[in-house]
Amino acid sequence: TQLLEQSPQFLSIQEGENLTVYCNSSSVFSSLQWYRQEPGEGPVLLVTVVTGGEVKKLKRLTFQFGDARKDSSLHITAAQPGDTGLYLCAASPGTYKYIFGTGTRLKVLA
Amino acid sequence: ETGVTQTPRHLVMGMTNKKSLKCEQHLGHNAMYWYKQSAKKPLELMFVYSLEERVENNSVPSRFSPECPNSSHLFLHLHTLQPEDSALYLCASSQDGRRIQETQYFGPGTRLLVL
Repeated sequence: TQLLEQSPQFLSIQEGENLTVYCNSSSVFSSLQWYRQEPGEGPVLLVTVVTGGEVKKLKRLTFQFGDARKDSSLHITAAQPGDTGLYLCAASPGTYKYIFGTGTRLKVLA
Repeated sequence: ETGVTQTPRHLVMGMTNKKSLKCEQHLGHNAMYWYKQSAKKPLELMFVYSLEERVENNSVPSRFSPECPNSSHLFLHLHTLQPEDSALYLCASSQDGRRIQETQYFGPGTRLLVL
């Protein structure tokens, strides 16, 4: 069974702090995605990373895909209360197949 | 506005009831998905439809019965559910479904409580 393990599971920080969330697997994937889910809503795609070692930046969010394509990280600089939510990594082991990570619940305090 | 709507948003049902969840996508996509999100497990893919044909069924109990009458609508029929089926049920759609790692667009979900 292919699994995506995320750490930490929960994170509560003050506004302005930096943080990193990790997504790890023992399997190799051709690409990996990050979604954010806010309370009462479905997940929304943030980014897709497709090349080993790739780094993508989305404003204060930096995403990295591991060289071996087994892991990924999400770094947030100067977190804001609007960053609060559940962060999910996701991968596709094959056509019509999707697996999601265990999730990191982030709370940013003003 | 994600273009994917779900009704009802909340549902309470007894174990002997029959109910249906509805999903509608306004994005012109060809693939639609049902997911289960419970507190202690990762998001679980239940069913996948591509061009109204079921292409994936991830060992879901028969008390869950999907229906896709056209590419814009997806239903999940529920009967004789168990308390452990209480969860958030999310619908999603994507452009094609056959390409690996497409962007999925999720609805807001139906929060189901089985008593």
